[in-house]
Amino acid sequence: EAQVTQNPRYLITVTGKKLTVTCSQNMNHEYMSWYRQDPGLGLRQIYYSMNVEVTDKGDVPEGYKVSRKEKRNFPLILESPSPNQTSLYFCASSFNMLHSEAFFGQGTRLTVV
Amino acid sequence: AQKITQTQPGMFVQEKEAVTLDCTYDTSDQSYGLFWYKQPSSGEMIFLIYQGSYDEQNATEGRYSLNFQKARKSANLVISASQLGDSAMYFCAMREHPSSILTGGGNKLTFGTGTQLKVEL
Repeated sequence: EAQVTQNPRYLITVTGKKLTVTCSQNMNHEYMSWYRQDPGLGLRQIYYSMNVEVTDKGDVPEGYKVSRKEKRNFPLILESPSPNQTSLYFCASSFNMLHSEAFFGQGTRLTVV
Repeated sequence: AQKITQTQPGMFVQEKEAVTLDCTYDTSDQSYGLFWYKQPSSGEMIFLIYQGSYDEQNATEGRYSLNFQKARKSANLVISASQLGDSAMYFCAMREHPSSILTGGGNKLTFGTGTQLKVEL
């Protein structure tokens, strides 16, 4: 089954404790990205990757890191989480084409206390 | 300036009625794609429909259709014969031509702020 798998689904952590949210896709997509969803703001792109070892900042990259060592995996790293990073996070993947729909993971609800 | 604007934070519709969710967009590209996604209360993002900027006909997928007015830069979603299961958040999104890679941004999908639709009996 074609899918994007994110883990964990829910996470509560404390300020400053490094965490990683994993994302894996099995569709051989070149393009992967991370979004955060906040009430009234829609989905905002954090980072994206157009292929292995190619990553770049989206609209709200501060406080986040990513890596793309393999085509299928695109982890999101919060080196020192803060409460303003409490949000719903989505990983998405697609082919690098204009008409290509994005497939989304199930989301990770992160709370930083 | 907002790339994607959804001006209706919330909408109500009676079951079996049609409803239109508004979406306007801003781009200087000639080639772009427009998408609608549904997010039920369970949280997942479900792709509904796609419209390419060069498509001459409005896209349709079952009860979903996209009212594409290029000159007005609008891409409204029409849901016919609403069902209770249509109650969800709906997002409009735009993907601009990869030529924007030259200035950064990649094959980016930009989202609006969403419209919460509630279908009532």
